[in-house]
Amino acid sequence: GDSVTQMEGPVTLSEEAFLTINCTYTATGYPSLFWYVQYPGEGLQLLLKATKADDKGSNKGFEATYRKETTSFHLEKGSVQVSDSAVYFCALFWISNYQLIWGAGTKLIIKP
Amino acid sequence: NAGVTQTPKFRVLKTGQSMTLLCAQDMNHEYMYWYRQDPGMGLRLIHYSVGEGTTAKGEVPDGYNVSRLKKQNFLLGLESAAPSQTSVYFCASSYFAGEGNEQFFGPGTRLTVL
Repeated sequence: GDSVTQMEGPVTLSEEAFLTINCTYTATGYPSLFWYVQYPGEGLQLLLKATKADDKGSNKGFEATYRKETTSFHLEKGSVQVSDSAVYFCALFWISNYQLIWGAGTKLIIKP
Repeated sequence: NAGVTQTPKFRVLKTGQSMTLLCAQDMNHEYMYWYRQDPGMGLRLIHYSVGEGTTAKGEVPDGYNVSRLKKQNFLLGLESAAPSQTSVYFCASSYFAGEGNEQFFGPGTRLTVL
């Protein structure tokens, strides 16, 4: 069935470092892809999304490109801040069953 | 505009007890969802609703029941709690279920079953 695989965490970086969090998916067809972020003690919130191949989603300095050929949607940021410390979830959406299929989440820790 | 709210925030139950979690949204969204979040497993869909008076099973519905009597509310019930239901529960809502659908999440309910 459809699935999402994320790199395991925690990922620990120093402030201003470059960030990549890998996400690959298995699905038939072309689902919409999402990155959600969960700050400590809060619910999830949408960070960015892409609905078709080669689309680039971006928000708050984060970017991710929908790569159909590699079935990937890697999250990147050029210079991370302490305030980016959170858990990041990759997900895909299939309209046929109204379901978001989630990766396990990647915890990001940024040290000053 | 409160968005999605959940009550209670924390709850401890004994095995066999029952409880109801309440989710409310003030965004006039048609779709509502209940998830559980367990360490290392991401979110799993328990039940969802595509409109007032409708409910449907998600990935892990066993041991839970839901009701959507009013558009703005979505209730999750545990009739006889088990330790395996210890988890963080999130409610979410969305305006539609098409391409690029964004779900809005509540802050979560941390449930412990002893």
